[in-house]
Amino acid sequence: AQSVTQLGSHVSVSEGALVLLRCNYSSSVPPYLFWYVQYPNQGLQLLLKYTSAATLVKGINGFEAEFKKSETSFHLTKPSAHMSDAAEYFCAVKPGGGADGLTFGKGTHLIIQP
Amino acid sequence: ETGVTQSPTHLIKTRGQQVTLRCSSQSGHNTVSWYQQALGQGPQFIFQYYREEENGRGNFPPRFSGLQFPNYSSELNVNALELDDSALYLCASSLKGGGQETQYFGPGTRLLVL
Repeated sequence: AQSVTQLGSHVSVSEGALVLLRCNYSSSVPPYLFWYVQYPNQGLQLLLKYTSAATLVKGINGFEAEFKKSETSFHLTKPSAHMSDAAEYFCAVKPGGGADGLTFGKGTHLIIQP
Repeated sequence: ETGVTQSPTHLIKTRGQQVTLRCSSQSGHNTVSWYQQALGQGPQFIFQYYREEENGRGNFPPRFSGLQFPNYSSELNVNALELDDSALYLCASSLKGGGQETQYFGPGTRLLVL
């Protein structure tokens, strides 16, 4: 079975500051990992994904994430926060080759202070 | 390219009733997954449909059932509604192959059970 832990249900940063959202996973097989963003009253939008190629993954809107197998982590970063980044962020894991769906963390609400 | 669409956007039902939610997959996709997102939580995997058959199921009771049609669209049916079924129901489509398929989400249907 797989699981995802997102540290910090709320993260607050100033506009222009570094964004760091933490995600740790557990999986019995090599995983595929995803970050999604959810704006109020909307569905989920894919930010980026790790599928066993490069460990540093670049996504949309300036976000990137690094897969660290030794730490079982897939933290999301962005060098400079914008007001438009305020949203709910979800980390998800899918076991490689499995037919199961995604297992999501509980989410981190990102607050951007002016 | 048409994205994932869901209908209706909102729905109010009474405890004990039955409900059907609909999803049209993204053009070129052949797999549909359904998720339940309770307020303040991450999405939870209900089941996945591929080639018109259930292809994986999460920890949901049998009163949650589904269908996939030849055009890859899908329905989620919930019988004997309970208050705890109130949630945002998300549909995601993907193209199956290699296990790393990325799921693209629709805007969701918000169900309120009174």
